[in-house]
Amino acid sequence: EAQVTQNPRYLITVTGKKLTVTCSQNMNHEYMSWYRQDPGLGLRQIYYSMNVEVTDKGDVPEGYKVSRKEKRNFPLILESPSPNQTSLYFCASSLFMEAAGYTFGSGTRLTVV
Amino acid sequence: DAKTTQPTSMDCAEGRAANLPCNHSTISGNEYVYWYRQIHSQGPQYIIHGLKNNETNEMASLIITEDRKSSTLILPHATLRDTAVYYCIVRVVGTSGSRLTFGEGTQLTVNP
Repeated sequence: EAQVTQNPRYLITVTGKKLTVTCSQNMNHEYMSWYRQDPGLGLRQIYYSMNVEVTDKGDVPEGYKVSRKEKRNFPLILESPSPNQTSLYFCASSLFMEAAGYTFGSGTRLTVV
Repeated sequence: DAKTTQPTSMDCAEGRAANLPCNHSTISGNEYVYWYRQIHSQGPQYIIHGLKNNETNEMASLIITEDRKSSTLILPHATLRDTAVYYCIVRVVGTSGSRLTFGEGTQLTVNP
């Protein structure tokens, strides 16, 4: 089944403890992206990647890092999480330069205390 | 990307057609119209997209006006599982950093 897989689904952590949220897709998509969703603010893009070793900032990149060493994986790294990063996170992928829709993962609900 | 305007909420009876409008009066000639929906904190789900012509797939139909300034998503026989927030998005395809700009969307409630 074609899908975007995120792990973990739920995570509670403490301020300052580094964490990684993994994202993997099995559709050979070039384009991958991370979004966060907060009440009243909607979905906002954090980082995106157009292909392996090509990444760039989205609208709200502060406090996040990403890497794209393989086409299928696009992990989101929080080096020193803070409470304002408590949010619902989504990974998405699509074919680049195509009109195809994005496929989203099921989400990761992160709480930083 | 062009801005879109959607009603905040709509209701529909189960089994009837749900018609969700979207205004995008500043759309450019190379911008596509996309529809996604999000069911209660799940990942947004792609529904359909189009450029000029009307489109239909197994989920829905998309009607785009001739001047492309508005569109309507039609769910022909709404079910309770179609209750969700529906987002209308316009964007240029293939540009670097092309992102989906989600607005507030329309909360569609399908009633028994």
